[in-house]
Amino acid sequence: NAGVTQTPKFRVLKTGQSMTLLCAQDMNHEYMYWYRQDPGMGLRLIHYSVGEGTTAKGEVPDGYNVSRLKKQNFLLGLESAAPSQTSVYFCASSSHRTGTDTQYFGPGTRLTVL
Amino acid sequence: LAKTTQPISMDSYEGQEVNITCSHNNIATNDYITWYQQFPSQGPRFIIQGYKTKVTNEVASLFIPADRKSSTLSLPRVSLSDTAVYYCLVGGPNSGNTGKLIFGQGTTLQVKP
Repeated sequence: NAGVTQTPKFRVLKTGQSMTLLCAQDMNHEYMYWYRQDPGMGLRLIHYSVGEGTTAKGEVPDGYNVSRLKKQNFLLGLESAAPSQTSVYFCASSSHRTGTDTQYFGPGTRLTVL
Repeated sequence: LAKTTQPISMDSYEGQEVNITCSHNNIATNDYITWYQQFPSQGPRFIIQGYKTKVTNEVASLFIPADRKSSTLSLPRVSLSDTAVYYCLVGGPNSGNTGKLIFGQGTTLQVKP
């Protein structure tokens, strides 16, 4: 099993450009999450999904959109990138069957917006 | 929503035992306590989880007193490779479907030779 993978690993955007980050998991997990991590800070939840076709807002959703068309994939979109969105983005997944929501994280995507 | 408080940073030396304490005064009855480890440029990794008393695995031990208002992660005989940020989280079985698991700033552990 590859676990949780993220594409791309690095990306540089100009202000106003758009892009989509892809997260894929092969553990058949129901729940998936997108976090951002800024220097010296912990992870902040952007959006999450409790199943295929569902999404919900987390702590810092503004400026981002998500889609979960397939159970194994969770996409994070930036329609008009801003320098404040420069960050490291982590995707995670978990299975509700465990009952305790242990999250498995991907390696991260480092995004710079100029 | 249970909030956690843990030290921002700790220093230790190789071979020592390290104890990191997390306070969670308003933990709910069905909440579990989970610790994650994060190395630079990597995503967090699950270390250990517990509900009460003591839990031990091959990596660490987790001590939870009877009132469950705090917990202590114990790392035996640390090495340089244990230098990382450690996060304490509190949440119940349904926290995943409510987006309520909160990662705070974590504790940055620096292990020195």
